[in-house]
Amino acid sequence: DAGVTQSPTHLIKTRGQHVTLRCSPISGHKSVSWYQQVLGQGPQFIFQYYEKEERGRGNFPDRFSARQFPNYSSELNVNALLLGDSALYLCASSLGLAGGDTQYFGPGTRLTVL
Amino acid sequence: RKEVEQDPGPFNVPEGATVAFNCTYSNSASQSFFWYRQDCRKEPKLLMSVYSSGNEDGRFTAQLNRASQYISLLIRDSKLSDSATYLCVVNPGPNTGGFKTIFGAGTRLFVKA
Repeated sequence: DAGVTQSPTHLIKTRGQHVTLRCSPISGHKSVSWYQQVLGQGPQFIFQYYEKEERGRGNFPDRFSARQFPNYSSELNVNALLLGDSALYLCASSLGLAGGDTQYFGPGTRLTVL
Repeated sequence: RKEVEQDPGPFNVPEGATVAFNCTYSNSASQSFFWYRQDCRKEPKLLMSVYSSGNEDGRFTAQLNRASQYISLLIRDSKLSDSATYLCVVNPGPNTGGFKTIFGAGTRLFVKA
């Protein structure tokens, strides 16, 4: 079975640009969560979506937005990129809300902002 | 105070050693707890869930102390392949902001021959 997939794997952008990252969950999983991981730190929670609705939001500015589609795939959008947005962006899927369910992570998208 | 704090590490241990990691959390209403493992430049992978009664999986033992608000991970008979970053994960449960998952900063483990 396919695991969580993310695209693209790497991305280079310049300050002020916009970026869209994509995630496909494991088949049958209805929840997708997004995380930002800066080098040397643990992943920081950005959003959780379940059944196409936002169910949780971390402490990130409004430049970050996301959505989940009817097929449970998801997009993370970041506007007006800053140098500090350079990080590994991880997507995780779970069967239900990620309260007690195991989360399975994709390989991530490495974003570099110049 | 950070919501989830881990031993800073790194831990450098010889093969065969026993090593223990601790993690404290600030929200006493937290509902579920996990240990994840992350290899260099890879995604985190679930190592084990942590239950109130404690649980063991081969060489790995996890324990939860709700009264003191900490969880621990014990690795016995360390292998070279155990070298990785170990992430403590806490789910506070639904709150005014909805669900969220909190990761600690991670503890690096180096097992040497």
